[in-house]
Amino acid sequence: KNEVEQSPQNLTAQEGEFITINCSYSVGISALHWLQQHPGGGIVSLFMLSSGKKKHGRLIATINIQEKHSSLHITASHPRDSAVYICAVPSLYGGATNKLIFGTGTLLAVQP
Amino acid sequence: GAVVSQHPSWVICKSGTSVKIECRSLDFQATTMFWYRQFPKQSLMLMATSNEGSKATYEQGVEKDKFLINHASLTLSTLTVTSAHPEDSSFYICSAHLSGQFFGPGTRLTVL
Repeated sequence: KNEVEQSPQNLTAQEGEFITINCSYSVGISALHWLQQHPGGGIVSLFMLSSGKKKHGRLIATINIQEKHSSLHITASHPRDSAVYICAVPSLYGGATNKLIFGTGTLLAVQP
Repeated sequence: GAVVSQHPSWVICKSGTSVKIECRSLDFQATTMFWYRQFPKQSLMLMATSNEGSKATYEQGVEKDKFLINHASLTLSTLTVTSAHPEDSSFYICSAHLSGQFFGPGTRLTVL
Protein backbone atom coordinates (compact mmCIF):
# COMPACT_ATOMS: atom_id res chain seq x y z
CA LYS A 1 0.00 0.00 0.00
CA ASN A 2 1.26 3.47 -0.82
CA GLU A 3 1.87 5.97 1.92
CA VAL A 4 1.55 9.68 1.28
CA GLU A 5 2.99 12.48 3.35
CA GLN A 6 2.37 16.15 2.83
CA SER A 7 4.09 19.16 4.30
CA PRO A 8 3.42 21.57 5.75
CA GLN A 9 0.07 20.70 7.29
CA ASN A 10 -0.79 24.36 7.76
CA LEU A 11 0.55 27.35 5.91
CA THR A 12 -0.21 31.02 6.31
CA ALA A 13 1.12 33.42 3.72
CA GLN A 14 0.82 37.06 2.81
CA GLU A 15 -0.77 37.98 -0.47
CA GLY A 16 1.80 37.92 -3.24
CA GLU A 17 4.09 35.38 -1.66
CA PHE A 18 5.43 32.34 -3.47
CA ILE A 19 4.09 29.15 -1.91
CA THR A 20 5.40 25.60 -2.01
CA ILE A 21 3.60 22.50 -0.79
CA ASN A 22 5.40 19.17 -0.76
CA CYS A 23 4.26 15.58 -1.18
CA SER A 24 6.24 12.37 -0.71
CA TYR A 25 5.08 8.86 -1.39
CA SER A 26 6.51 5.44 -0.74
CA VAL A 27 5.69 3.26 -3.76
CA GLY A 28 6.38 3.87 -7.42
CA ILE A 29 3.43 5.34 -9.26
CA SER A 30 2.26 6.08 -12.75
CA ALA A 31 0.64 9.42 -11.95
CA LEU A 32 0.11 11.79 -9.04
CA HIS A 33 -2.84 14.09 -8.47
CA TRP A 34 -2.98 17.51 -6.89
CA LEU A 35 -6.43 18.50 -5.71
CA GLN A 36 -7.90 21.66 -4.22
CA GLN A 37 -10.71 21.62 -1.71
CA HIS A 38 -12.42 24.88 -0.80
CA PRO A 39 -14.15 25.48 2.53
CA GLY A 40 -17.50 24.47 1.03
CA GLY A 41 -16.05 21.01 0.45
CA GLY A 42 -16.04 20.70 -3.34
CA ILE A 43 -12.91 19.22 -4.86
CA VAL A 44 -11.20 20.47 -7.98
CA SER A 45 -8.59 18.44 -9.75
CA LEU A 46 -5.62 20.75 -10.37
CA PHE A 47 -3.06 18.48 -11.95
CA MET A 48 -2.38 14.91 -12.83
CA LEU A 49 1.25 14.37 -13.69
CA SER A 50 3.59 11.49 -14.21
CA SER A 51 6.85 13.31 -14.97
CA GLY A 52 8.46 16.70 -15.16
CA LYS A 53 6.42 19.82 -14.68
CA LYS A 54 2.97 21.18 -15.49
CA LYS A 55 1.81 24.77 -15.32
CA HIS A 56 -1.68 26.21 -15.21
CA GLY A 57 -1.96 29.91 -14.60
CA ARG A 58 -0.20 30.70 -11.32
CA LEU A 59 0.01 27.05 -10.35
CA ILE A 60 3.00 24.86 -11.10
CA ALA A 61 3.35 21.18 -10.24
CA THR A 62 6.57 19.22 -10.43
CA ILE A 63 7.35 15.59 -9.83
CA ASN A 64 10.57 13.64 -9.37
CA ILE A 65 9.78 9.99 -9.94
CA GLN A 66 13.16 8.75 -8.73
CA GLU A 67 12.89 10.63 -5.45
CA LYS A 68 9.15 9.90 -5.10
CA HIS A 69 8.44 13.54 -4.46
CA SER A 70 6.19 16.19 -5.89
CA SER A 71 5.73 19.88 -5.21
CA LEU A 72 2.90 22.29 -5.86
CA HIS A 73 3.88 25.93 -6.26
CA ILE A 74 1.62 28.96 -6.26
CA THR A 75 3.10 32.18 -7.59
CA ALA A 76 1.78 35.60 -6.60
CA SER A 77 -0.60 34.06 -4.07
CA HIS A 78 -4.01 35.59 -3.52
CA PRO A 79 -6.60 35.23 -0.74
CA ARG A 80 -8.81 33.26 -3.13
CA ASP A 81 -6.08 30.57 -3.17
CA SER A 82 -6.98 29.81 0.45
CA ALA A 83 -8.05 26.18 0.49
CA VAL A 84 -6.88 22.72 1.39
CA TYR A 85 -4.45 21.26 -1.13
CA ILE A 86 -4.35 17.49 -1.33
CA CYS A 87 -1.87 15.16 -2.93
CA ALA A 88 -3.12 11.75 -4.06
CA VAL A 89 -1.42 8.71 -5.56
CA PRO A 90 -2.59 5.29 -6.70
CA SER A 91 -2.62 2.78 -3.87
CA LEU A 92 -0.41 0.45 -5.87
CA TYR A 93 1.78 0.91 -8.92
CA GLY A 94 -0.43 0.86 -11.93
CA GLY A 95 -2.81 2.80 -14.13
CA ALA A 96 -5.10 5.66 -13.35
CA THR A 97 -8.00 3.36 -12.58
CA ASN A 98 -6.35 2.43 -9.31
CA LYS A 99 -8.02 3.75 -6.22
CA LEU A 100 -6.28 6.74 -4.75
CA ILE A 101 -4.55 7.24 -1.44
CA PHE A 102 -4.81 10.80 -0.19
CA GLY A 103 -2.42 12.89 1.80
CA THR A 104 -3.77 14.63 4.87
CA GLY A 105 -3.82 17.91 3.02
CA THR A 106 -2.22 21.30 3.49
CA LEU A 107 -4.45 24.05 4.78
CA LEU A 108 -3.38 27.26 3.10
CA ALA A 109 -4.51 30.67 4.28
CA VAL A 110 -3.44 33.66 2.23
CA GLN A 111 -3.90 36.92 4.05
CA PRO A 112 -4.47 40.21 2.24
CA GLY B 1 -14.66 18.77 -20.27
CA ALA B 2 -14.62 15.93 -17.72
CA VAL B 3 -17.31 17.38 -15.49
CA VAL B 4 -18.84 15.33 -12.70
CA SER B 5 -22.01 16.38 -10.91
CA GLN B 6 -23.61 15.18 -7.72
CA HIS B 7 -27.16 15.50 -6.51
CA PRO B 8 -28.21 16.63 -4.04
CA SER B 9 -25.50 18.96 -2.83
CA TRP B 10 -26.81 18.68 0.68
CA VAL B 11 -29.48 16.71 2.46
CA ILE B 12 -30.89 16.58 5.96
CA CYS B 13 -32.87 13.54 6.97
CA LYS B 14 -34.28 11.83 10.01
CA SER B 15 -32.61 8.83 11.57
CA GLY B 16 -33.81 5.59 10.04
CA THR B 17 -34.58 6.95 6.60
CA SER B 18 -32.71 6.17 3.40
CA VAL B 19 -30.95 8.72 1.27
CA LYS B 20 -29.90 8.37 -2.37
CA ILE B 21 -27.00 10.36 -3.81
CA GLU B 22 -26.43 10.54 -7.54
CA CYS B 23 -23.11 10.93 -9.32
CA ARG B 24 -23.11 11.75 -13.01
CA SER B 25 -20.36 12.20 -15.55
CA LEU B 26 -21.78 14.96 -17.73
CA ASP B 27 -19.63 14.91 -20.83
CA PHE B 28 -17.92 11.56 -20.78
CA GLN B 29 -18.58 7.93 -20.07
CA ALA B 30 -17.04 6.30 -17.05
CA THR B 31 -16.93 2.58 -16.53
CA THR B 32 -15.42 3.16 -13.09
CA MET B 33 -16.60 5.58 -10.45
CA PHE B 34 -15.41 5.89 -6.88
CA TRP B 35 -17.30 6.85 -3.74
CA TYR B 36 -15.49 8.61 -0.89
CA ARG B 37 -16.47 9.83 2.53
CA GLN B 38 -14.86 12.66 4.41
CA PHE B 39 -15.39 13.43 8.08
CA PRO B 40 -14.53 16.92 9.38
CA LYS B 41 -10.83 17.71 9.32
CA GLN B 42 -9.99 14.27 7.92
CA SER B 43 -8.79 12.97 4.59
CA LEU B 44 -11.07 11.48 1.99
CA MET B 45 -11.56 7.78 2.57
CA LEU B 46 -12.51 5.47 -0.25
CA MET B 47 -15.72 3.59 0.45
CA ALA B 48 -16.19 1.61 -2.72
CA THR B 49 -15.34 1.27 -6.37
CA SER B 50 -18.35 1.25 -8.64
CA ASN B 51 -18.08 -0.60 -11.94
CA GLU B 52 -20.72 -0.24 -14.62
CA GLY B 53 -22.73 -3.39 -15.03
CA SER B 54 -21.20 -5.26 -12.13
CA LYS B 55 -21.16 -5.30 -8.37
CA ALA B 56 -19.30 -2.63 -6.51
CA THR B 57 -16.11 -3.43 -4.64
CA TYR B 58 -16.25 -2.23 -1.07
CA GLU B 59 -13.34 -1.24 1.12
CA GLN B 60 -12.72 -3.08 4.33
CA GLY B 61 -15.04 -1.93 7.07
CA VAL B 62 -17.67 -0.48 4.74
CA GLU B 63 -21.01 -2.28 5.03
CA LYS B 64 -22.25 -3.14 1.57
CA ASP B 65 -25.82 -3.64 2.81
CA LYS B 66 -25.87 -0.19 4.36
CA PHE B 67 -24.24 1.68 1.49
CA LEU B 68 -25.89 0.39 -1.66
CA ILE B 69 -24.19 1.27 -4.90
CA ASN B 70 -25.73 0.99 -8.34
CA HIS B 71 -23.85 1.80 -11.53
CA ALA B 72 -26.49 1.07 -14.11
CA SER B 73 -25.13 3.23 -16.90
CA LEU B 74 -21.83 4.66 -18.05
CA THR B 75 -22.77 8.10 -16.80
CA LEU B 76 -24.57 7.43 -13.54
CA SER B 77 -23.70 5.83 -10.24
CA THR B 78 -25.88 6.06 -7.15
CA LEU B 79 -25.07 5.62 -3.49
CA THR B 80 -27.95 4.87 -1.15
CA VAL B 81 -27.37 5.22 2.57
CA THR B 82 -29.96 2.90 4.06
CA SER B 83 -31.40 3.38 7.53
CA ALA B 84 -29.20 6.39 8.08
CA HIS B 85 -28.01 7.25 11.56
CA PRO B 86 -26.33 10.37 12.94
CA GLU B 87 -22.90 8.72 12.67
CA ASP B 88 -23.44 8.53 8.89
CA SER B 89 -23.45 12.32 8.76
CA SER B 90 -20.53 13.15 6.51
CA PHE B 91 -19.43 14.64 3.22
CA TYR B 92 -19.80 12.11 0.39
CA ILE B 93 -17.80 12.65 -2.78
CA CYS B 94 -17.75 10.68 -5.99
CA SER B 95 -15.21 10.62 -8.76
CA ALA B 96 -15.30 9.25 -12.27
CA HIS B 97 -12.38 7.83 -14.13
CA LEU B 98 -11.27 9.22 -17.49
CA SER B 99 -7.51 9.09 -17.84
CA GLY B 100 -7.44 10.10 -14.20
CA GLN B 101 -10.09 10.79 -11.60
CA PHE B 102 -12.45 13.74 -11.81
CA PHE B 103 -14.33 14.64 -8.70
CA GLY B 104 -17.88 15.68 -8.08
CA PRO B 105 -18.68 18.66 -5.85
CA GLY B 106 -19.77 16.44 -2.97
CA THR B 107 -22.94 15.89 -0.98
CA ARG B 108 -23.20 16.89 2.65
CA LEU B 109 -25.43 14.51 4.56
CA THR B 110 -26.77 15.41 7.97
CA VAL B 111 -28.77 12.79 9.83
CA LEU B 112 -30.81 14.09 12.74
